[in-house]
Amino acid sequence: DIQMTQAPSSVTASVGDRVIITCRASQGISRWIAWYQQKPGKAPNLLIYAASTLQSGVPSRFSGSGSGTEFTLTISSLQPEDFATYYCQQANNFPWTFGQGTKVEIK
Amino acid sequence: QVQLVQSGAEVQKPGASVRISCKASGYTFSAYYIHWVRQAPGQGLEWMGVINPSDGGTTYARKLRGRVTMTRDTSTTTVYMDLNSLRAEDTAVYYCGRVMGGNFFDYWGQGTLVTVSS
Repeated sequence: DIQMTQAPSSVTASVGDRVIITCRASQGISRWIAWYQQKPGKAPNLLIYAASTLQSGVPSRFSGSGSGTEFTLTISSLQPEDFATYYCQQANNFPWTFGQGTKVEIK
Repeated sequence: QVQLVQSGAEVQKPGASVRISCKASGYTFSAYYIHWVRQAPGQGLEWMGVINPSDGGTTYARKLRGRVTMTRDTSTTTVYMDLNSLRAEDTAVYYCGRVMGGNFFDYWGQGTLVTVSS
């Protein structure tokens, strides 16, 4: 199985800060990665797919990059509604696997 | 609009079985694969398997093979996930998710909490 390792596991930041979350795959997955935001008690919400494509309706402050084994999700200017947990997901091989999550908390 | 509506919360005893439904609407049911993902309390997301609503073909996570079955009813545009021989560690919120072209979840059900407790 492909392991997806996210870092950091949590980050404390202020409104307006730039936040970068990384995800490393245990083997190459080309660009078969997505990023999701999850708020407590809710289903995940797709932000970025195919490494860098912004899902319709998602604010442009979210961006993704990378290919192969190293990927990043960047929030350019953190907004109050962005405090949540973020997950990466690989879809290169079954079983699809998720990172362990990064919790973004308010400073 | 696309909707996936799941059945309600369940409480089951160890060794029992559970069936969760996921009713799809607002799109062509047979055109999109449906996956199941679960999330134990305070934990991350775990992929369980996938069903092709067009032909009923399935692929399951290795650790659940033998205990999980996914089926669909095209007449009611509903997908079902059965999990048997329940254990305490199966306590989780179970989500169905529609996968868009490119293998990513664009719509999710609201989640179904399954609690396994004696």
